[in-house]
Amino acid sequence: KAGVTQTPRYLIKTRGQQVTLSCSPISGHRSVSWYQQTPGQGLQFLFEYFSETQRNKGNFPGRFSGRQFSNSRSEMNVSTLELGDSALYLCASSSGTANTEAFFGQGTRLTVV
Amino acid sequence: QKEVEQDPGPLSVPEGAIVSLNCTYSNSAFQYFMWYRQYSRKGPELLMYTYSSGNKEDGRFTAQVDKSSKYISLFIRDSQPSDSATYLCATHAGNNRKLIWGLGTSLAVNP
Repeated sequence: KAGVTQTPRYLIKTRGQQVTLSCSPISGHRSVSWYQQTPGQGLQFLFEYFSETQRNKGNFPGRFSGRQFSNSRSEMNVSTLELGDSALYLCASSSGTANTEAFFGQGTRLTVV
Repeated sequence: QKEVEQDPGPLSVPEGAIVSLNCTYSNSAFQYFMWYRQYSRKGPELLMYTYSSGNKEDGRFTAQVDKSSKYISLFIRDSQPSDSATYLCATHAGNNRKLIWGLGTSLAVNP
């Protein structure tokens, strides 16, 4: 069974640009969550999508957005990049019910210069 | 104060030692508790998943949850060099699948 796939693995962007990251969940999983991981703040929740609808949202500015497609694949977009957006962005896949585990992809390492 | 507190370490132990990793949390609504292992440049890998209080064992790993003291633990028996990684605790309340994380504890198991 294929795991969670995130593309690209590495990205370098300049300040002010925008970026789109992609996540393909485990087959049959309908929930995709996104997290930002930095050394100082650890893992922080960005948002969760379930059946193409945003179900939960973290405390990030509106520059961070996402969407989910009918095949459960998800994308997140960051506009007007700032140096502080440099982080590992992780996608988690789950079936979507409360008592099930979340499985993570390898992440996308974003560096903003 | 963060909702989940975890000592970042680093923790260094000899091969074969018993390792104890711990987190505390502040919100009594948290019901689901997880331990993840993260190797360098990899995504977190789920190790243990428990609901409410009690113990759960899986091979060399035992997870404990004490809701009365809001304390969660992961024990690793007969630790191996391959256990060297960062261990993250996480929790959520159930009605909201937003995971709240500790900062992670860096563990090194020395041969």
